[in-house]
Formats: sequence, C-alpha cells, structure tokens
Amino acid sequence: DIVLTQSPGTLSLSPGERATLSCRASQSVSSNYLAWYQQKPGQAPSLLIFDASSRATGIPDRFSGSGSGTDFTLTISRLEPEDFAVYYCQHYGSSPPFGQGTRLEI
Amino acid sequence: EVQLLESGGGLVQPGGSLRLSCAASGFTFSNYAMSWVRQAPGKGLEWVSSISYSGASTYYADSVKGHFTISRDNSKNTLFLQLKSLRVEDTAIYYCAKWPLADIWGQGTMVTVSS
Repeated sequence: DIVLTQSPGTLSLSPGERATLSCRASQSVSSNYLAWYQQKPGQAPSLLIFDASSRATGIPDRFSGSGSGTDFTLTISRLEPEDFAVYYCQHYGSSPPFGQGTRLEI
Repeated sequence: EVQLLESGGGLVQPGGSLRLSCAASGFTFSNYAMSWVRQAPGKGLEWVSSISYSGASTYYADSVKGHFTISRDNSKNTLFLQLKSLRVEDTAIYYCAKWPLADIWGQGTMVTVSS
C-alpha cells in the first residue's frame, strides 16, 4: 500500500501570499495518479488538480500542481480569502488513498 | 445538473444498522466505479468502500470489512452502503463519490452511533 504524507499539517499565511503544500508518497505513484482536493468547512471536498498537474474544470490558474514519483506539490500563487480551507492529496489507485490533509489558515 | 444525493443517515445505538443511499443524476452512473468516503468529526477523509461500474467487484477498508456492504442498482442510478454492527467509531459524515478520480461528491449524510 502507498501511504501519502502531507506537510505541513497547518500552514498560516495571509491573503496575497504564496502557499506551497507538500504530499509525499511512500512509493512511486504510478502514472502520476495524484489528485488534490479542497474542503471548506461544512462542505464536501471538491477536486482541484488531477494527474498531478491538470486543473479541474473551473479551477483558477492560481492553483497549480507539480511533481512526480514520490514528491508532489500544490501551489497557490496568490492566496484569496476563499482559499483558506483544508487540502487533501489522493492517489487514485491505492488504498488508503488520501493523505491526512493540510489546513491552510489565515 | 451532475449530482449525487445521499440519504439514510441518522442516530443509531451501538450494534445497530443503517442503510445509506446515494442517488446519482446528470451523468452515466453505470459507466463509473463509485465509493463511500467518511469523515469523523474534526478528522480527515477516510476511504470506506468502492464498487466497480458493474457491481461485480467490491473493496473495503480493513476498518469496515465484514460489517459494511456496498452495492449498486444501475437501473435506478443508486449506490448503497449497508452498515451493520455499528460502533461509536463509525460516527462520521458519509460521502458518496465518483471513483477513482472523485470529481463528483455528494453533500454527505451524518451517521451518529451513540447510546
């Protein structure tokens, strides 16, 4: 089983700053089957990034994903107030599929 | 509109049972695998169970194996999760999601196991 470890657990930043979230896999992720989700309080998760670097429909270009193998990164170039949420990475091909999450707070 | 709508959650005593449903609309349900993902209060996402597009193959997290059963009715565009022998630690919001890339999620249904 591939285990995903996200860091940091909590990231404290201000609007306008750049956020860098990390997701590290215990083994190489095949075909870059790595996704990122955003979850706001009281809401279901929503897909941001798939295949490590492809933005889902309607996702602003301030969100970008990168990485391969075992190291992946979600970058938010200029934080907007609505970006403060919890972010999860997922390997869609293994169990357990989700990392433990990174809380992005003001 | 693409949508998943869960129902069936509620308050149940330890050892009790519930059946969750997830009604799909706006996409060809029978073409896709589906999953249940849960989230305990204040915790992260935990994958619970998956089912292939046809229903022929099912998969479970070790934490629920033997006491949850996933199924689907493609003629009614509906996914199910039968929960039995419920434990306090099964308390969570249960989401259904298109799988394995979860670009469609339901709004969740709350299951509370308490005496």
